[in-house]
Amino acid sequence: SQKIEQNSEALNIQEGKTATLTCNYTNYSPAYLQWYRQDPGRGPVFLLLIRENEKEKRKERLKVTFDTTLKQSLFHITASQPADSATYLCALGGATNKLIFGTGTLLAVQP
Amino acid sequence: DAGITQSPRHKVTETGTPVTLRCHQTENHRYMYWYRQDPGHGLRLIHYSYGVKDTDKGEVSDGYSVSRSKTEDFLLTLESATSSQTSVYFCAISESLRQRNTEAFFGQGTRLTVV
Repeated sequence: SQKIEQNSEALNIQEGKTATLTCNYTNYSPAYLQWYRQDPGRGPVFLLLIRENEKEKRKERLKVTFDTTLKQSLFHITASQPADSATYLCALGGATNKLIFGTGTLLAVQP
Repeated sequence: DAGITQSPRHKVTETGTPVTLRCHQTENHRYMYWYRQDPGHGLRLIHYSYGVKDTDKGEVSDGYSVSRSKTEDFLLTLESATSSQTSVYFCAISESLRQRNTEAFFGQGTRLTVV
């Protein structure tokens, strides 16, 4: 069955450093991959989408890479700030738009 | 914010009773989803819909049924609630414009407790 894995442990980093989150998947060939941010008590909020034929996408301090050979996506937040502290979820989608999520990684940015 | 509303926002129900959660959208998006979120499991897809009367099962569909009789409403029904269905339920919507997939927008969530 399809499986999406993200770092199960919380990621703690110092303010100003780059945070790197990992999303690995198996038994799936997604047409696109998305990253979401979720704050406590709220629904996820979309951040970035990258398609299977794209290697890298950037948006302000965010960067996503997508390696379909390794079946992996990396999500980077540069110059991290305490306000970036949240849970980050990756999601995979295919031609039918059926969207499957990973378990999420909790990021804590220390001032 | 995308026009997506879940109701109720909170519900406590007894084991064995039927429960229906409603998701209403004003965006005219084609795709609608029901997820449940539990500690350690992330968001797990229950059912999703790709059009009126068109639905498909997700990874945790046992014990749940859905209906979509019009574009704006997607109902999730627990026929006979069990304690294992205590969770936070999220509805989401998305669109695919000219074969370009777009992001999903989520509702505020429904916290369901089965006692």
